[in-house]
Amino acid sequence: AQSVAQPEDQVNVAEGNPLTVKCTYSVSGNPYLFWYVQYPNRGLQFLLKYITGDNLVKGSYGFEAEFNKSQTSFHLKKPSALVSDSALYFCAVRDMNTGFQKLVFGTGTRLLVSP
Amino acid sequence: GAGVSQSPSNKVTEKGKDVELRCDPISGHTALYWYRQSLGQGLEFLIYFQGNSAPDKSGLPSDRFSAERTGGSVSTLTIQRTQQEDSAVYLCGGGRLNTEAFFGQGTRLTVV
Repeated sequence: AQSVAQPEDQVNVAEGNPLTVKCTYSVSGNPYLFWYVQYPNRGLQFLLKYITGDNLVKGSYGFEAEFNKSQTSFHLKKPSALVSDSALYFCAVRDMNTGFQKLVFGTGTRLLVSP
Repeated sequence: GAGVSQSPSNKVTEKGKDVELRCDPISGHTALYWYRQSLGQGLEFLIYFQGNSAPDKSGLPSDRFSAERTGGSVSTLTIQRTQQEDSAVYLCGGGRLNTEAFFGQGTRLTVV
């Protein structure tokens, strides 16, 4: 079965510093990987995805993520954090090979960027 | 429409009553998901529709929960005899096969 782990409940970073939000996954086949962000009282907003191709994918708002197959990781990164990046971030995976379309989400990581 | 539309945005109901939550996905999106997000919790998969295929109902927590999707478009999630533990935000999302899903703003359900 697919699973996603986000080992950090919260990440604190100062504005202007680089940020990393960690995600590791487990699938039986090849993964589709996604990052979503949720602002207070809002729905989920899609940030970026990895389907195939370059291991470094770029997404909205200056975010990027690096797919590492050997470490089964898909960490979210941004070179310079903004206070407005403070939100709840979810990593999700879908197993490409099984035809099983369910998106499995991690438990979420709260990012707090301080001024 | 421009995005996934969910209604109502907020619903307060008495324990034991039935509720219906509606999702209107983006036109052309054949895949549709329902998830539940309880306070301080992650996203719990409920059900998945893809085109005319039989839905994946493996996440429905009990037989009080059901969902349908009419004409491959609008979906309704029904919760019968609501309980307090059903209080959560219910998120609907849709997309094309093998791509990302786009989610609505959710329906906040409070059972009192």
